Amino acid sequence: EDKVVQSPLSLVVHEGDTVTLNCSYEVTNFRSLLWYKQEKKAPTFLFMLTSSGIEKKSGRLSSILDKKELFSILNITATQTGDSAIYLCAVDTGANSKLTFGKGITLSVRP
Amino acid sequence: NAGVTQTPKFRILKIGQSMTLQCAQDMNHNYMYWYRQDPGMGLKLIYYSVGAGITDKGEVPNGYNVSRSTTEDFPLRLELAAPSQTSVYFCASILAGRNTGELFFGEGSRLTVL
Repeated sequence: EDKVVQSPLSLVVHEGDTVTLNCSYEVTNFRSLLWYKQEKKAPTFLFMLTSSGIEKKSGRLSSILDKKELFSILNITATQTGDSAIYLCAVDTGANSKLTFGKGITLSVRP
Repeated sequence: NAGVTQTPKFRILKIGQSMTLQCAQDMNHNYMYWYRQDPGMGLKLIYYSVGAGITDKGEVPNGYNVSRSTTEDFPLRLELAAPSQTSVYFCASILAGRNTGELFFGEGSRLTVL
């Protein structure tokens, strides 16, 4: 059975802190790993990673994949209250683009 | 562009009632999905479809049915609602072959079964 495990499950930080969110996976077939941010409603896409060692970056957010050790991290620097959300990691196993999601990490950023 | 539209946004059902959650997309996406999200549990795939007339079960299909008579619409039917089906339901779509990995999600339908 395909598995995606995220840690920690919840995190409280203060504005300005840097956070690292973890995602490990065990799947029979790997096509890509995706990160989504979910505020009050639907998840919104952050990154798709397919190759090891290549960092994807968008503003204060960055992510990298290690296909040998089967994990990815999402870094957020200089956190802001607007970063408070659930961060979802998902793996595309290539079968009809179905995604297997982790449980999500709830990040709370305090002023 | 409306994207993925789900209705209703909220619904309360009594045990044993039936209902249909509607999902429509106007992006000509061939792949569509229904996920449910329970607190602290991520998203679990209920059913998916790779094109009109083709549907298949996901991870948690029991108690649900789907149909895909057109490319645009992918309704999810609950036949005999149970408290375990209390959840937030998300419909999503993607164009097969588009290599961005970005699923487009609807805004969700919050269902409570009492």
